Amino acid sequence: GESVGLHLPTLSVQEGDNSIINCAYSNSASDYFIWYKQESGKGPQFIIDIRSNMDKRQGQRVTVLLNKTVKHLSLQIAATQPGDSAVYFCAHTGYSTLTFGKGTMLLVSP
Amino acid sequence: SQTIHQWPATLVQPVGSPLSLECTVEGTSNPNLYWYRQAAGRGLQLLFYSVGIGQISSEVPQNLSASRPQDRQFILSSKKLLLSDSGFYLCAWSPGGEQYFGPGTRLTVT
Repeated sequence: GESVGLHLPTLSVQEGDNSIINCAYSNSASDYFIWYKQESGKGPQFIIDIRSNMDKRQGQRVTVLLNKTVKHLSLQIAATQPGDSAVYFCAHTGYSTLTFGKGTMLLVSP
Repeated sequence: SQTIHQWPATLVQPVGSPLSLECTVEGTSNPNLYWYRQAAGRGLQLLFYSVGIGQISSEVPQNLSASRPQDRQFILSSKKLLLSDSGFYLCAWSPGGEQYFGPGTRLTVT
């Protein structure tokens, strides 16, 4: 079956650094990917998505890169701020459901 | 704009007691609806999803059940709670593709 996983469970960065969170997937038929941010005690918040016909998509301070050849997805956060501290999940959507990765905790120190 | 509500926000229940968690969505019609459970420090486990009134798909066999009595209402229930039912319960809605999460209910079974 398909799976979506993360390489690093915890990422610690300094404020102002750029952060990169990685995700691997196994289903080559995956065609839509989403990154979520979850702060402690809250529900996941949609950050950015990308379809398989794209390699890169940019938002405000965030960029998602998709490498279909190696089935790898990454989220880049520019100029990381303390407010970016959270758990980040990648997810792949099929017809009606989402498959979530295990999550990476991003810790930003001032 | 669309909003999603969950209540209660927190709940402490004894083992063997019943459960009813409610989720409602405003500002959209015929959404896909989802119930997830998240254990502390873990990822999201899909419990149930619904693509329409009275249509429920169960992803994990357990002592929980779900119902969708109205288009924008999704209810998670149990007749007898187990200790292992403790967790953070999240409801989500989707127009198709990305999902948007509610604030969650923290359930502690004692």
